[in-house]
Amino acid sequence: DTAVSQTPKYLVTQMGNDKSIKCEQNLGHDTMYWYKQDSKKFLKIMFSYNNKELIINETVPNRFSPKSPDKAHLNLHINSLELGDSAVYFCASGRPTDTQYFGPGTRLTVL
Amino acid sequence: RKEVEQDPGPFNVPEGATVAFNCTYSNSASQSFFWYRQDCRKEPKLLMSVYSSGNEDGRFTAQLNRASQYISLLIRDSKLSDSATYLCVVRTGGFKTIFGAGTRLFVKA
Repeated sequence: DTAVSQTPKYLVTQMGNDKSIKCEQNLGHDTMYWYKQDSKKFLKIMFSYNNKELIINETVPNRFSPKSPDKAHLNLHINSLELGDSAVYFCASGRPTDTQYFGPGTRLTVL
Repeated sequence: RKEVEQDPGPFNVPEGATVAFNCTYSNSASQSFFWYRQDCRKEPKLLMSVYSSGNEDGRFTAQLNRASQYISLLIRDSKLSDSATYLCVVRTGGFKTIFGAGTRLFVKA
């Protein structure tokens, strides 16, 4: 069984569009995260949710809006997509001081 | 200064070689330390946690020096399958996780 899953795996869209990425974990973790890995392969945390509450928002533009309907899901909605949003987005889950488990990533390309 | 800094690499080594990666972190309040491995176009996966006393897992040895704020990873008897990017990871105060930029390793036959 997949521990952390993301959909879609690939997303190609035009500038200005709005898109969503879904994430689900079946590990029973309270904490979930969104990361962005850019073309230079640098992995940077965007958001962290604990028990459906936003804990960390790392100066991400407000075009990005995470939503956690329950502890097992953390979705990412992006409004008015820009070229610079092109990257791989990883969802992860874990316990606060323990290992994080990553989803397979969503490769977003904005044209 | 970056919060987590790693050797830039890439490291090109022959099979069977021993290779060491270094990592420094700037926040002395950091609590947890890890090495992750990321293969090309894949997600990062935990390689090993790093404990104050140092720890070993097969061919991999991790060391932590809190006084110097320094973490290391030693890989002995390198295999072709060890080729990947190795990410130093530092967690501060529970939820904040900082990844280093990664060090690429190429092991050649």
